Amino acid sequence: EVQLLESGGGLVQPGGSLRLSCAVSGITSSSYGMSWVRQAPGQGLEWVSGFSGVSSIYYADSVTGRFTISRDSSKSTLYLQMNSLRAEDTAVYYCAKTAVAGMSFFASWGQGTLVTVSS
Amino acid sequence: DIQMTQSPSTLSASVGDRVTITCRASQSISSWLAWYQQKPGKGPKLLIYKASSLESGVPSRFSGSGSGTEFTLTISSLQPDDFATYYCQQYESYSLTFGQGTKVDIK
Repeated sequence: EVQLLESGGGLVQPGGSLRLSCAVSGITSSSYGMSWVRQAPGQGLEWVSGFSGVSSIYYADSVTGRFTISRDSSKSTLYLQMNSLRAEDTAVYYCAKTAVAGMSFFASWGQGTLVTVSS
Repeated sequence: DIQMTQSPSTLSASVGDRVTITCRASQSISSWLAWYQQKPGKGPKLLIYKASSLESGVPSRFSGSGSGTEFTLTISSLQPDDFATYYCQQYESYSLTFGQGTKVDIK
């Protein structure tokens, strides 16, 4: 069974930085896609960034230039480095795994980690 | 980006009702559409992919249809566990987008 466990959320001031982690277990291949999806309080889902398979990376326009996604296959961990944070980045951040390689639909989700950007 | 629009935003229904949620795409996405269910404080759960394929383990009362720009999620007989928020998501473009959600609550 695939399990995704996010960590690293917290309270940060506007302009600050934070790094989120997602520990992945129950997967033997690295050819799947992984993404970060966020949900602002009381709002809907917003895709943030993702890996399509091994190396192709994509970002939403709202975070391009500020956020960086990476993965450490040896540690089975996905990361999201968030810089120049804004109040509108406040959200629960989920990591999610696609069922197949590529940017597609998400068969597995973590429980989320809350990021609050406030002074 | 491809815009996804769901209707209605809120739906009040009773146990046993047939429920239909619509999702429209701003351009054709063929059948590259998924549906999710989300309950408060939880991550989303995949219900349907490729517009009409039922995810393993999902009850058969859930079904999806459509192609191109218009899609529907149908719950044939609403059960108490189905009161939740539902989202569609397109994956025709690498810039993935979700609908704004449809909350199904108790009438």
